[in-house]
Amino acid sequence: GNSVTQMEGPVTLSEEAFLTINCTYTATGYPSLFWYVQYPGEGLQLLLKATKADDKGSNKGFEATYRKETTSFHLEKGSVQVSDSAVYFCALIGPSYSSASKIIFGSGTRLSIRP
Amino acid sequence: NAGVTQTPKFQVLKTGQSMTLQCAQDMNHEYMSWYRQDPGMGLRLIHYSVGAGITDQGEVPNGYNVSRSTTEDFPLRLLSAAPSQTSVYFCASSRQGASEQYFGPGTRLTVT
Repeated sequence: GNSVTQMEGPVTLSEEAFLTINCTYTATGYPSLFWYVQYPGEGLQLLLKATKADDKGSNKGFEATYRKETTSFHLEKGSVQVSDSAVYFCALIGPSYSSASKIIFGSGTRLSIRP
Repeated sequence: NAGVTQTPKFQVLKTGQSMTLQCAQDMNHEYMSWYRQDPGMGLRLIHYSVGAGITDQGEVPNGYNVSRSTTEDFPLRLLSAAPSQTSVYFCASSRQGASEQYFGPGTRLTVT
């Protein structure tokens, strides 16, 4: 079945550092890929997405590229801020109708940014 | 637009009690889902619905019931609460299956 594996946390960085959070997936066909962010005490909200191979999703300085050859969707940001402290979830939705409603989430990576 | 709303925000139950977690959305989304979030386990799908009158089980459905009588509402019922159901519960909706999911703020449930 479909699955998502993302790097274990917590990740602690200093402000203005470069961020990478790794995400790899297993799926048949071409799934849609997502990064969601959860700020303390809130629900998840979509950060960015990509729906086909080689697409790059971007938002708020974050980027991720859909790599079919390595089945990866790593999240990157060139210069993190304290306000980026949150939990980040990689997710996929399979391409077939029967699995269309079943979004699969990774286990989440907690990011803490030091001033 | 209120988006996805959930009530209550917090709830404490004793083992064996029943309750209903409410979820409503005002975006006319066909797809709605319930997840539970436990430390180190990410989100796990409990039940989902692809439209009014249609529901299906997710990854962890045991101990939970759902119904979808209207497009807007998707309540989650715990018939006999157990300590293993202590968790944070999130409701989500989307325009269609393979699209952005909108999450509610969550309900923190403790079963003693």
